[in-house]
Amino acid sequence: ILNVEQSPQSLHVQEGDSTNFTCSFPSSNFYALHWYRWETAKSPEALFVMTLNGDEKKKGRISATLNTKEGYSYLYIKGSQPEDSATYLCASPGVDKLIFGTGTRLQVFP
Amino acid sequence: EAGVAQSPRYKIIEKRQSVAFWCNPISGHATLYWYQQILGQGPKLLIQFQNNGVVDDSQLPKDRFSAERLKGVDSTLKIQPAKLEDSAVYLCASSLGTGRVGTDTQYFGPGTRLTVL
Repeated sequence: ILNVEQSPQSLHVQEGDSTNFTCSFPSSNFYALHWYRWETAKSPEALFVMTLNGDEKKKGRISATLNTKEGYSYLYIKGSQPEDSATYLCASPGVDKLIFGTGTRLQVFP
Repeated sequence: EAGVAQSPRYKIIEKRQSVAFWCNPISGHATLYWYQQILGQGPKLLIQFQNNGVVDDSQLPKDRFSAERLKGVDSTLKIQPAKLEDSAVYLCASSLGTGRVGTDTQYFGPGTRLTVL
């Protein structure tokens, strides 16, 4: 059974701080890794779909890296803002279905 | 482009009652998914449709849950009868369905928060 793990479970930072969190997944038979941002009372929003080892993707102040050989991905937020407060989910496909981690809940205080 | 629509947004029922959720995917998306997200856990796939056919319902508790996608567009998910452990957020998502599930971006609706008392 594919197991996707995220850490930390929650994170509290001050506005302006940069932060990062981790998604771990089995490296065997890897072919994709998804990142989503889920703000309270809103729809989960797709951030990135990553497929290549060493891939780095960026969207504004958010970026992600991928290491498929060791089975992890990092999500970075530069200069966190209160509007970045959300739960960040990663997911990797098992046998043709996405398996989600439990998420990292980020709170950014002004 | 309109996103994935879901209704209702919130529902409170007593155990043993029935409940139904509705989802309207993004126009042109062939694949539709229903997920259950229990507090403290990641979303878990309940059922996946490709057009109006079921691709995967291996994690759907079929003794109480049912889902249909009429004409390959809208979908409804029903729980009958509900149990306390069904309290969760039910998310609907859709994707173009042109690639493998693992690389297809899924677009989510806002979810229905169900509380079973």
